[in-house]
Amino acid sequence: QVQVVESGGGVVQPGRSLRLSCAASGFNFNIYGMHWVRQAPGKGLEWLTLILYDGTKEYYADSVKGRFTISRDNSKNTLFLQMNSLRAEDTAVYYCARASGRYEYDEFEMWGQGTMVIVSS
Amino acid sequence: QSALTQPASVSGSDGQSITISCSGTSSDIGTYNLVSWYQHLPGKAPKLVIYEVTKRPSGVSYRFSGSKSGNTASLTISGLQAEDEADYYCCSYAVSSTTWVFGGGTKLTVL
Repeated sequence: QVQVVESGGGVVQPGRSLRLSCAASGFNFNIYGMHWVRQAPGKGLEWLTLILYDGTKEYYADSVKGRFTISRDNSKNTLFLQMNSLRAEDTAVYYCARASGRYEYDEFEMWGQGTMVIVSS
Repeated sequence: QSALTQPASVSGSDGQSITISCSGTSSDIGTYNLVSWYQHLPGKAPKLVIYEVTKRPSGVSYRFSGSKSGNTASLTISGLQAEDEADYYCCSYAVSSTTWVFGGGTKLTVL
């Protein structure tokens, strides 16, 4: 079954760190770009970051640049999001999304069901 | 990286057609045909319904269509069905900044 499944969400205090994972299965993970997108409670979707198929390039939204880091392990078909210096406004459902191809401009072809992150003291 | 502008809500009766607009700038929608649309039901994974402005992924109903004029893209759903009730998001690639930007989302209600 072709799917991506996020994990690692939970409750974390402001200023702390959290690492999310996204396990891919049913497709050749190492030929697709991968994204993280989030949705804060009552808000719309917000693109966060993209990593190319081979991990050579990463792109970030201004809102997370310098705090979040995307990475991937193609040998384990897994995508990661390292989130540091977390703030209350980072509270959201975090989605992993597979691009339709290997280029920066390829759309979000497949999504996971998300993992919830709550930043609260 | 300003969000694209969508109406907060639209509604239509069963069997009717509706159109959701998505307004951007010459830095995103207006420059390239890299607009996509996503259907999102609460608690579910978002689903791609239109890509590259007008293209429909395999398995998506022919009732979904997309278009673009200048800096504004549109999603039209014809023959509305109860199952179409969801939130819809437009999205565009911003070539100059190598980033993606979403619209604020439109809640579709089928009456």
